[in-house]
Amino acid sequence: DAGVIQSPRHEVTEMGQEVTLRCKPISGHDYLFWYRQTMMRGLELLIYFNNNVPIDDSGMPEDRFSAKMPNASFSTLKIQPSEPRDSAVYFCASRRTGRSYEQYFGPGTRLTVT
Amino acid sequence: DAKTTQPPSMDCAEGRAANLPCNHSTISGNEYVYWYRQIHSQGPQYIIHGLKNNETNEMASLIITEDRKSSTLILPHATLRDTAVYYCIGLNDYKLSFGAGTTVTVRA
Repeated sequence: DAGVIQSPRHEVTEMGQEVTLRCKPISGHDYLFWYRQTMMRGLELLIYFNNNVPIDDSGMPEDRFSAKMPNASFSTLKIQPSEPRDSAVYFCASRRTGRSYEQYFGPGTRLTVT
Repeated sequence: DAKTTQPPSMDCAEGRAANLPCNHSTISGNEYVYWYRQIHSQGPQYIIHGLKNNETNEMASLIITEDRKSSTLILPHATLRDTAVYYCIGLNDYKLSFGAGTTVTVRA
């Protein structure tokens, strides 16, 4: 299994630009999570999906952030417009029903907004 | 979710056992104790979890005290690749949230 795949691995953009982060979960996993990690705030859950449906987006910072999961094998996290305070490492994770304790994380996307 | 307390750092000699303590005195009866680790520049990795019984898998062992107020993660034969930040978490749902964790450095 290839594991959770994220792209790009690194993204540098200017303030005000749109940023799209991509994630391919592990095949057969029906839950997908988006996290953000910074030194100041640690790891924060932004949103999660079950069977492609957003279940809890209470962690999404504000309307500039949006996430979609058009099918079981693909999800995007979009920031528009981006701001310097959005600089962080964004992780995608997936798991399958019945194994709620074991989330598999991707390698992350390091976002820098200048 | 339970508040957990871990030492900020510890060193371990390669090939020796590493014992990582965690205090979770506020843990409730239905909250599991989870351990994850994060190797530099990688995503977090699940290690092990338990409720009240000791657990062992291919990566580690988890010893939970009878009153469930603390636990110890044991890496039986630490290798250089075990150098990472280790997180102890108490929760009963999906929302993983890491504190500072313990930075474990395995030395040759």
